[in-house]
Amino acid sequence: GAGVSQSPRYKVAKRGQDVALRCDPISGHVSLFWYQQALGQGPEFLTYFQNEAQLDKSGLPSDRFFAERPEGSVSTLKIQRTQQEDSAVYLCASSDRRGGMAYEQYFGPGTRLTVT
Amino acid sequence: EDKVVQSPLSLVVHEGDTVTLNCSYEVTNFRSLLWYKQEKKAPTFLFMLTSSGIEKKSGRLSSILDKKELSSILNITATQTGDSAIYLCAVGDGSSNTGKLIFGQGTTLQVKP
Repeated sequence: GAGVSQSPRYKVAKRGQDVALRCDPISGHVSLFWYQQALGQGPEFLTYFQNEAQLDKSGLPSDRFFAERPEGSVSTLKIQRTQQEDSAVYLCASSDRRGGMAYEQYFGPGTRLTVT
Repeated sequence: EDKVVQSPLSLVVHEGDTVTLNCSYEVTNFRSLLWYKQEKKAPTFLFMLTSSGIEKKSGRLSSILDKKELSSILNITATQTGDSAIYLCAVGDGSSNTGKLIFGQGTTLQVKP
């Protein structure tokens, strides 16, 4: 079916505002990842879900970042009280395999967040 | 600290040239090495290499994993302008049992007509 989709594609927020970024993974994919990609850098891991369980949130940079996947499909990444350093592209990826194995991840187009 | 390093960071070639992109890694619990192509949208999966599959080829693209040297190369022959993109190398990390990917900073390839 369709690939991974993300919305919005672009988001401009004023410093201090809260934002919510949405990811629709490929239907039936068990694993879902969030990555943060700063300008000119490779993506960096933020958090991992296996179905609805958040098994790894070691990459979340601060307690202002929160992610959920309540029904094991759509996921939302929320950033509270945005700061300029949060400006980046936020990528979502999904896979039909469970964590810990060697497998490819399929990425969405990302949400470009600019904090002014 | 686990890390993945790519070189060169940027490269400009002309159509028809052959290019070699490099990726080296220091990852304690290596599971796999993956190559992605990133244009102005989603990173697109190219190859995955593991202990059991250390060489892959698809059309003009090929990749080799050297587990002894902890490195990989991505070769593109007879380059075309459509090959212009950022090429990302990532290593699958098995230490946390999530299979998260550790990415290099990418190589930006520009192919001129």
